[in-house]
Amino acid sequence: SQQGEEDPQALSIQEGENATMNCSYKTSINNLQWYRQNSGRGLVHLILIRSNEREKHSGRLRVTLDTSKKSSSLLITASRAADTASYFCAHGEQTGANNLFFGTGTRLTVIP
Amino acid sequence: NAGVMQNPRHLVRRRGQEARLRCSPMKGHSHVYWYRQLPEEGLKFMVYLQKENIIDESGMPKERFSAEFPKEGPSILRIQQVVRGDSAAYFCASSPGGPTSSGANVLTFGAGSRLTVL
Repeated sequence: SQQGEEDPQALSIQEGENATMNCSYKTSINNLQWYRQNSGRGLVHLILIRSNEREKHSGRLRVTLDTSKKSSSLLITASRAADTASYFCAHGEQTGANNLFFGTGTRLTVIP
Repeated sequence: NAGVMQNPRHLVRRRGQEARLRCSPMKGHSHVYWYRQLPEEGLKFMVYLQKENIIDESGMPKERFSAEFPKEGPSILRIQQVVRGDSAAYFCASSPGGPTSSGANVLTFGAGSRLTVL
């Protein structure tokens, strides 16, 4: 399957704590992206990291990529209740077309 | 810029009926993708289209499902003779032209169409 996997499946933390989500994939990739989905809504792009990059920051988000282990992590620092959502990683493969394959998602709950 | 528009937002069909889901991509985007999401699950890729062409339909069931993206008008995902297992949220996404020099391709998603088969 081209679908990635994420862990944990669910994560519950207190507001102000950091949240770390991990993602693994199976193929060679061009890039890896993280998306967020609020309940009942579409996905929103958060951040993209290219295969030749190891770490990237955007505001309170920090993404790492280890292509040797075929894994990525998303760190959200100083979490807020508004960060409550599902987070998905998606990868674009080196061969083939432009389509992205999504992971199974991590459901994050930030408790005020 | 209205973003990616999907309709209907909710659709109820009885077993055996047909479901048609429409997606208008973001202005300036010529690539459309359809994904299916079952409750509490991730997104499963179905099909990727450019105007008048199906680029990759490897995720689409061979029977009853079809997709098109005509020269004019929205992309349509068509499900014939629906069964209860087709109940899901169907998301459309779009992107501007081909890959960038690094192969990066960021998708803009619509709000989804929720199909319920009775």
